[in-house]
Amino acid sequence: GQQVMQIPQYQHVQEGEDFTTYCNSSTTLSNIQWYKQRPGGHPVFLIQLVKSGEVKKQKRLTFQFGEAKKNSSLHITATQTTDVGTYFCAGLTGGSYIPTFGRGTSLIVHP
Amino acid sequence: ETGVTQSPTHLIKTRGQQVTLRCSSQSGHNTVSWYQQALGQGPQFIFQYYREEENGRGNFPPRFSGLQFPNYSSELNVNALELDDSALYLCASSADRGPNSPLHFGNGTRLTVT
Repeated sequence: GQQVMQIPQYQHVQEGEDFTTYCNSSTTLSNIQWYKQRPGGHPVFLIQLVKSGEVKKQKRLTFQFGEAKKNSSLHITATQTTDVGTYFCAGLTGGSYIPTFGRGTSLIVHP
Repeated sequence: ETGVTQSPTHLIKTRGQQVTLRCSSQSGHNTVSWYQQALGQGPQFIFQYYREEENGRGNFPPRFSGLQFPNYSSELNVNALELDDSALYLCASSADRGPNSPLHFGNGTRLTVT
């Protein structure tokens, strides 16, 4: 079945440094979604990418979808303590369109 | 707009018992998905219901079963509980079952099996 891998599992940064998490799928995706889960909270939808090579920005967050639609990345510029949490990518394939989540990358920001 | 609500928030059960978890979907949403999230892991898909019919099922044994009601609320039932069933159970509703309907999660039910 479809597998979605995310790296790194953890990332410690100093406040103000940049952060990137990478997501790779074993199969070609139709869409990819990104979610953020704060400690003790539930996943919250951030964005969805659909087109090959698509790039979307949300303030300091930049999301990319690979040309082959098998990988994606999330980059945060100048991290803040409010960015702390676990970031999940979730891949969707045609047919079922049921998101398959990666293991997530936990971001720890040191003030 | 009322968000996704789940009950109970916490639950402690003994191995072999049965449990029912409940979820009220967000207003206007007709699709409910259930996920299991073990500590330090990503959410694992259990099953999805669309307009009271099962629309997909993940790699979980038959002792995991569910229902969706006419008001689109849902239940997750787990029989013959095992220690490995200890996890956060997340319910998520979406406006539709298609690719353009992101998941809106509830706060989850933390199940501990002893």
